[in-house]
Amino acid sequence: AQKITQTQPGMFVQEKEAVTLDCTYDTSDQSYGLFWYKQPSSGEMIFLIYQGSYDEQNATEGRYSLNFQKARKSANLVISASQLGDSAMYFCAMREDSGYALNFGKGTSLLVTP
Amino acid sequence: DAGITQSPRHKVTETGTPVTLRCHQTENHRYMYWYRQDPGHGLRLIHYSYGVKDTDKGEVSDGYSVSRSKTEDFLLTLESATSSQTSVYFCAISDRTTGATNEKLFFGSGTQLSVL
Repeated sequence: AQKITQTQPGMFVQEKEAVTLDCTYDTSDQSYGLFWYKQPSSGEMIFLIYQGSYDEQNATEGRYSLNFQKARKSANLVISASQLGDSAMYFCAMREDSGYALNFGKGTSLLVTP
Repeated sequence: DAGITQSPRHKVTETGTPVTLRCHQTENHRYMYWYRQDPGHGLRLIHYSYGVKDTDKGEVSDGYSVSRSKTEDFLLTLESATSSQTSVYFCAISDRTTGATNEKLFFGSGTQLSVL
């Protein structure tokens, strides 16, 4: 069964607007971590943000924030004030306490338009 | 940036030939991983290693083998390449010294493999 679901294959947003990329997850572990990675067209995988299952506050890293709703098992990435350079693939991933690697979703392609 | 080097960066090969991809790290991290990336599938784990000569299978391990004889090197071998193994292959590392669930993976630049 898919552990990470990203339901938006592609998204558009205008420059300077905020955008939310959806991610839901499935786990029976009490302890887990949620990650977002960015993959620009150059292909490298860039870590953006992390949220632990026991963290009470939503994680923030500059213009990135993670909207963590534990009861709904969602970990949406919010990008504020989008920039052209934010155009990329975005992957949500989870690390379970019982697991050994990151499980990735299928990704969301974000295009920022002028 | 984490010191991870994948080689080759690009490779074209024929069906049925053996192929070995190399991942080299300079971080002395204990854990190393091989993922493949395909459109519509995200990244899927092939194999991982938790120490020298300690390896285990991921979700898409059929047709692949790995070896780790030194901390710094993790090899992925396709014994007899097939067209379905055309993909981008990523190596990743982590140290797991800061805890289990918050371990971040650092990725190499990837290898584009085409099997004709």
